[in-house]
Amino acid sequence: NAGVTQTPKFQVLKTGQSMTLQCAQDMNHNSMYWYRQDPGMGLRLIYYSASEGTTDKGEVPNGYNVSRLNKREFSLRLESAAPSQTSVYFCASSERGAQYFYGYTFGSGTRLTVV
Amino acid sequence: ILNVEQSPQSLHVQEGDSTNFTCSFPSSNFYALHWYRWETAKSPEALFVMTLNGDEKKKGRISATLNTKEGYSYLYIKGSQPEDSATYLCAFGNTGNQFYFGTGTSLTVIP
Repeated sequence: NAGVTQTPKFQVLKTGQSMTLQCAQDMNHNSMYWYRQDPGMGLRLIYYSASEGTTDKGEVPNGYNVSRLNKREFSLRLESAAPSQTSVYFCASSERGAQYFYGYTFGSGTRLTVV
Repeated sequence: ILNVEQSPQSLHVQEGDSTNFTCSFPSSNFYALHWYRWETAKSPEALFVMTLNGDEKKKGRISATLNTKEGYSYLYIKGSQPEDSATYLCAFGNTGNQFYFGTGTSLTVIP
């Protein structure tokens, strides 16, 4: 089925370890996003890529880096994981500007625990 | 930080009951309002996207209204069914190309 695919689905890291969350979409969308979800808070934007070759910071970018590898793929990297980064991470995509008219398509999430 | 508030936080209703919940958002710099349906262990799925004050959207038994001047949107479910059980998220989009999500209303429909 067409959509947004995230890997891995679950991950446990030790403090200080690094990892990359992968995201790929097959809908030919221009824009891709990374959100995190924490208990009692709404989804918060970490980084986004409005189009291939561009990336911008969202609301909570500290401690993360991103790479828009090509039009399909947008990865999120934690260089030195901290317990405060324990969260559920969602990747999303949309046609550029179309998020105002059609909404986002979300992946199924990655549950990350940092111990 | 923009505040998007949803109420109530959770709701239990009997099958067949109608229900509604609220999303409140800033009334300035409005561009769009999304409603998503989020079932457990799945991804959020877009239900409605509304951009104009006074918009009303309907999909089956679910409908939504929008008041941008006072900064609120209502989601209504008529004759709730167990398959309606989910978390309903709203997201406010402003002219700054960013969306801000509420914490959601968790709906449980009891058979």
